[in-house]
Amino acid sequence: AQKITQTQPGMFVQEKEAVTLDCTYDTSDPSYGLFWYKQPSSGEMIFLIYQGSYDQQNATEGRYSLNFQKARKSANLVISASQLGDSAMYFCAMRVSRYSGAGSYQLTFGKGTKLSVIP
Amino acid sequence: NAGVTQTPKFQVLKTGQSMTLQCAQDMNHEYMSWYRQDPGMGLRLIHYSVGAGITDQGEVPNGYNVSRSTTEDFPLRLLSAAPSQTSVYFCASRARTGLGDEQYFGPGTRLTVT
Repeated sequence: AQKITQTQPGMFVQEKEAVTLDCTYDTSDPSYGLFWYKQPSSGEMIFLIYQGSYDQQNATEGRYSLNFQKARKSANLVISASQLGDSAMYFCAMRVSRYSGAGSYQLTFGKGTKLSVIP
Repeated sequence: NAGVTQTPKFQVLKTGQSMTLQCAQDMNHEYMSWYRQDPGMGLRLIHYSVGAGITDQGEVPNGYNVSRSTTEDFPLRLLSAAPSQTSVYFCASRARTGLGDEQYFGPGTRLTVT
């Protein structure tokens, strides 16, 4: 079974500073994908960034980058130059490629980290 | 471009009532799924479908039924609502092509069972 752990229930960051949101994962499948989603107070789920287990380079999307450390099974999200609009819940999620029973091919989510950006 | 739509946005039920949450997507995606989100729990998979006529259970399927008669629609039925089913429900869809395909989420349905 797959598991995602986000150990930071809440984080604070000063506007314009960088922040790292932690995510560790557990799977026995060698082929998997890692995702980060943002959920603002309005409730929608917004896709931010994706990292495949075989990708050689860390993924980047604008101000978002994913610090992928495969041996440590960690996939931390780095947000550079934080903005007030970054205040939201952030979820790390994983999908595996091999059929493994209930929920196969679907996303397994962590419990999320609430990020608050301070002006 | 509608994407994934869900109705209703809000619903209040009494214990024991039944209802159907509607979900539709216009992207011709094969994979569709239902999640529930509870405070401090993240999103948990209820049921999912890999194509019309094919459904399977996720992590928390008890008390819910699904069917997939068309590619576009994937309704979630609550058979006899219980207070423990108070939650926000998200429908999602994605194409059946690659591991990294983005999962598109609907706006959610906030359900309260009294």
